[in-house]
Amino acid sequence: QVQLVESGGGWVRPGGSLRLSCTASAFRLSDKYMSWIRQAPGKGLEWLAYISSGGSARDYADSARGRFTISRDNAKNSVYLQMNSLRAEDTAVYYCAGPDSNAWFTFDYWGQGVLVTVSS
Amino acid sequence: DIQLTQSPSSLSASVGDRVTITCRANQSINHYLNWYQQHPGKAPKLLIYRASSLQGGVPPRFSGSGSGTDFTLTVSSLQPEDFAIYYCQESYTFPVTFGQGTKVEIK
Repeated sequence: QVQLVESGGGWVRPGGSLRLSCTASAFRLSDKYMSWIRQAPGKGLEWLAYISSGGSARDYADSARGRFTISRDNAKNSVYLQMNSLRAEDTAVYYCAGPDSNAWFTFDYWGQGVLVTVSS
Repeated sequence: DIQLTQSPSSLSASVGDRVTITCRANQSINHYLNWYQQHPGKAPKLLIYRASSLQGGVPPRFSGSGSGTDFTLTVSSLQPEDFAIYYCQESYTFPVTFGQGTKVEIK
């Protein structure tokens, strides 16, 4: 059974940094484009970033560009999101998500989500 | 960026009702439209991909249609487990965008 498990969330002060991890089981993450998506409390879904299977291509939403960096370690079957200069409005549940096929932005699989709280 | 507008934002329905949710894009996205269901505190679940293809394991009471700019998600006979929030999502271009969601509540 495919599982994506996020970790690394928590509380951080404005201006601080966090690194989120997403590790897959029963899912060869190395073949897939992977994305991070977030959901602020009581709000809708916001796509943040993707990384290609080999890691050579990435793109970001405007809200993430310049502050967040997506990366991957295929040997560890993991994807990461380094978040710097965090703001209160970055408070959200963060999900990693990926496809079952080569429809790279159809999200068949989701992690359980990890909460990031940015507050002083 | 492509904007997706869902309507209605919320609806109240009874078990057994037929429910239709629409998603309109501000430019053509061909058939690159997916639908997700989200229960409180849970991750979204893919229901429909490429506008009308039913994801494996999803009950056939769910169906999707449309292309270009106008899409619909239909639940033919609402079941208790279908009370949730539904999101459309386009995979046509960057950035990937989601609709604002439609909350389906029990009448």
